Amino acid sequence: KNQVEQSPQSLIILEGKNCTLQCNYTVSPFSNLRWYKQDTGRGPVSLTIMTFSENTKSNGRYTATLDADTKQSSLHITASQLSDSASYICVVSGGGSQGNLIFGKGTKLSVKP
Amino acid sequence: DSGVTQTPKHLITATGQRVTLRCSPRSGDLSVYWYQQSLDQGLQFLIQYYNGEERAKGNILERFSAQQFPDLHSELNLSSLELGDSALYFCASSVIQTNTGELFFGEGSRLTVL
Repeated sequence: KNQVEQSPQSLIILEGKNCTLQCNYTVSPFSNLRWYKQDTGRGPVSLTIMTFSENTKSNGRYTATLDADTKQSSLHITASQLSDSASYICVVSGGGSQGNLIFGKGTKLSVKP
Repeated sequence: DSGVTQTPKHLITATGQRVTLRCSPRSGDLSVYWYQQSLDQGLQFLIQYYNGEERAKGNILERFSAQQFPDLHSELNLSSLELGDSALYFCASSVIQTNTGELFFGEGSRLTVL
């Protein structure tokens, strides 16, 4: 069964600290892996998209890594800011239509001053 | 601002009723996708349209239907509403129909069924 598991479910960190969010998937075949940021009650916003051949991708203070062999990805946030408080969703594409996107339940990050 | 517009933002209705959610994709995007997000759940894919034609179907209930019009806007119709249909409904658009393209989400329509 195609699944995307994220950990931790929630995380609280102090402003300025770094953190790493994890994503494990069992989706096959694999096309790409995405990380989205979703503010409470808002639509998800794309942070990165990585294909099979990419093992790291950065977007400002966000750096995503992908190990397609172990089917794991991580999202590292550097020097966190209060505005980073949001849910971070890992999404894996199984090929074909966008309808084959498998969404994780997300990690809820709270950044405290 | 993603460029995807959804209306209404909030909707409160009673069980058994019918509602229509509307989505205008980004200018130039031909694909429209509908997702449901229940409380503390991941986004669930409902249905995809590309240039007016249905392209993929997910876990969409028979009580739900959708269409994409010639001007590319899309509507999601939810009928015989149940309490469990209360959720955020997101529309997303993409310029292409395959899964390699960027997906842009609207701000969602929050449906509350009482």
